[in-house]
Amino acid sequence: NAGVTQTPKFQVLKTGQSMTLQCAQDMNHNSMYWYRQDPGMGLRLIYYSASEGTTDKGEVPNGYNVSRLNKREFSLRLESAAPSQTSVYFCASSELGRLGSFGPGTRLTVT
Amino acid sequence: GEDVEQSLFLSVREGDSSVINCTYTDSSSTYLYWYKQEPGAGLQLLTYIFSNMDMKQDQRLTVLLNKKDKHLSLRIADTQTGDSAIYFCAESNGDKLIFGTGTRLQVFP
Repeated sequence: NAGVTQTPKFQVLKTGQSMTLQCAQDMNHNSMYWYRQDPGMGLRLIYYSASEGTTDKGEVPNGYNVSRLNKREFSLRLESAAPSQTSVYFCASSELGRLGSFGPGTRLTVT
Repeated sequence: GEDVEQSLFLSVREGDSSVINCTYTDSSSTYLYWYKQEPGAGLQLLTYIFSNMDMKQDQRLTVLLNKKDKHLSLRIADTQTGDSAIYFCAESNGDKLIFGTGTRLQVFP
């Protein structure tokens, strides 16, 4: 039982490049989330998916897209990376409003 | 909209109690959580409380919820250097989970 896994752990991108952050959970949770963490700003919700096949915008969705590929996987895509997207990204999952687990995070730097 | 606020820093002496406070705005929150984040690591769920409870105790941790004032606190008894971390308060109502900015707890000998 691995919980929530994320790849990659670290990434450096040039402005304008694209990439996809992958997240998977093996706890059979319905809800999955993507957050970004910036100093002094806590965790801000980018997108979430309440169930397979649905996605909704969070607090800071601009510049991102998501895909809930199946119940296990929820990916976050940056189509054209910008320096303002330099952050640590966390994926999480939960069931019935009780937060389950967080992934280890992806540290992204955009130059 | 929903908002969760915490003070940014707390410094305590080893062996003392720490109290980390949090206020939130969404009166329909169903669960409230406390998370711990150590340097370079993800978030670890410490404890959570259902909104119809006033208090929850788990070993050295005590959570108090004042629903009328929308105030949540986390008390850590006998604080140790290993408790030094950032502590996040979070609330949920249905599917969305909203976090505070985090309180950095520093424990000194």
